[in-house]
Amino acid sequence: GAVVSQHPSWVICKSGTSVKIECRSLDFQATTMFWYRQFPKQSLMLMATSNEGSKATYEQGVEKDKFLINHASLTLSTLTVTSAHPEDSSFYICSAIRTERSYNEQFFGPGTRLTVL
Amino acid sequence: DAKTTQPTSMDCAEGRAANLPCNHSTISGNEYVYWYRQIHSQGPQYIIHGLKNNETNEMASLIITEDRKSSTLILPHATLRDTAVYYCIVRVMGGGADGLTFGKGTHLIIQP
Repeated sequence: GAVVSQHPSWVICKSGTSVKIECRSLDFQATTMFWYRQFPKQSLMLMATSNEGSKATYEQGVEKDKFLINHASLTLSTLTVTSAHPEDSSFYICSAIRTERSYNEQFFGPGTRLTVL
Repeated sequence: DAKTTQPTSMDCAEGRAANLPCNHSTISGNEYVYWYRQIHSQGPQYIIHGLKNNETNEMASLIITEDRKSSTLILPHATLRDTAVYYCIVRVMGGGADGLTFGKGTHLIIQP
């Protein structure tokens, strides 16, 4: 199956700093990637849609100036949490769409656990 | 996408078949039933999907009722590694470029 990687797998940072998370599609090109967030004991919540070469589309309630998304190539999307605070501590998961057999399918990364002190 | 209803949690003995139900009474004619699972602290993993016929792959079987208002995911011989949260999602096949809407899922616990 298709492989999606994330880096780092976990990160601890101080409040007020910015953190960048990378999402890569390793064996296919993805024009569309998604970023999800998951708080403890909750389900995944879609944050934004990342489109290669264009601006990301954010879900309602997600601050676009706080969660910066860049999709500069067909295999890489980055999520930068700017001025992170403890309430941003969460599990961040990306997914990438691969088109196969004329339909699109999503493949998920392993997730990045962010802890903001 | 149509809404789905799943039990919050289920237990199953190791080696037995695990049957996970999902209700999707408002499913549309062009919507498929997808199943994903999420093992603790990992990203979701695709399991199987189907439209109206029963489907089987190396991981599981999917049984969809004739009226398509409900389905059952079957793990034929559950192992401890199958302990995870299982999500039933109804969506148009491929879903275009839309993100997935995850419900609360079913926490399946495989007992030794």
